[in-house]
Amino acid sequence: AIWMTQSPSLLSASTGDRVTITCRLSEGISNYLAWYQKKPGKAPELLIYAASTLQSGVPSRFSGSGSGTDFSLTISRLQSEDFATYYCQQYYFFPRTFGQGTKVEIK
Amino acid sequence: QVQVVESGGGVVQPGRSLRLSCAASGFTFSSHGMHWVRQAPGKGLEWVAVISNDGSKNYYADSVKGRFTISRDNSKSTLYLQMNSLRVDDTAVYYCAKDRSGLGIDAFDMWGQGSMVTVSS
Repeated sequence: AIWMTQSPSLLSASTGDRVTITCRLSEGISNYLAWYQKKPGKAPELLIYAASTLQSGVPSRFSGSGSGTDFSLTISRLQSEDFATYYCQQYYFFPRTFGQGTKVEIK
Repeated sequence: QVQVVESGGGVVQPGRSLRLSCAASGFTFSSHGMHWVRQAPGKGLEWVAVISNDGSKNYYADSVKGRFTISRDNSKSTLYLQMNSLRVDDTAVYYCAKDRSGLGIDAFDMWGQGSMVTVSS
């Protein structure tokens, strides 16, 4: 199975900060990568698909970039509702795989 | 309102079986691939299985292959996960997720709230 390394695993930040999460894969997947937000007790939500396409209804402060093996998710100005855990996921190969997750917490 | 709602979770002994259901509404169920994804306590997300829109294709994670079976009934807009020979490490919240495509080869754009499965003696 393809390996995914997501970093950092924990990110401490303040409201208004710009934060970036990275996802590195062991094999190239073109742009078949998605980013999800997960809050405790809630369903995961799709933020970005095709590496850089914003899902309908997701605020424009979220953006994604990358291709091949290296990808990133950026939140331009962190809001209180953005404190959550974020996961990257590849959908090029079976089995589908997720990164280990990045918890964004209040500094 | 587009939604998927899981049911059927509970506490079960190791080696026993359980069937999860996922009722879909608000979209054309028969046009979309569907997935099961799980999250063990304190752990990250783990993909479990996918089924194509017409039920003709499915794939499984190695950890459940041969024990779990994904199926669907498009006439009832319902997805299923039959889980046999359950193990303690199958303990998790199980999420049903809608694929953006019919073949199940895209991102997951709608998730349910999850159904807790606890495998314990």
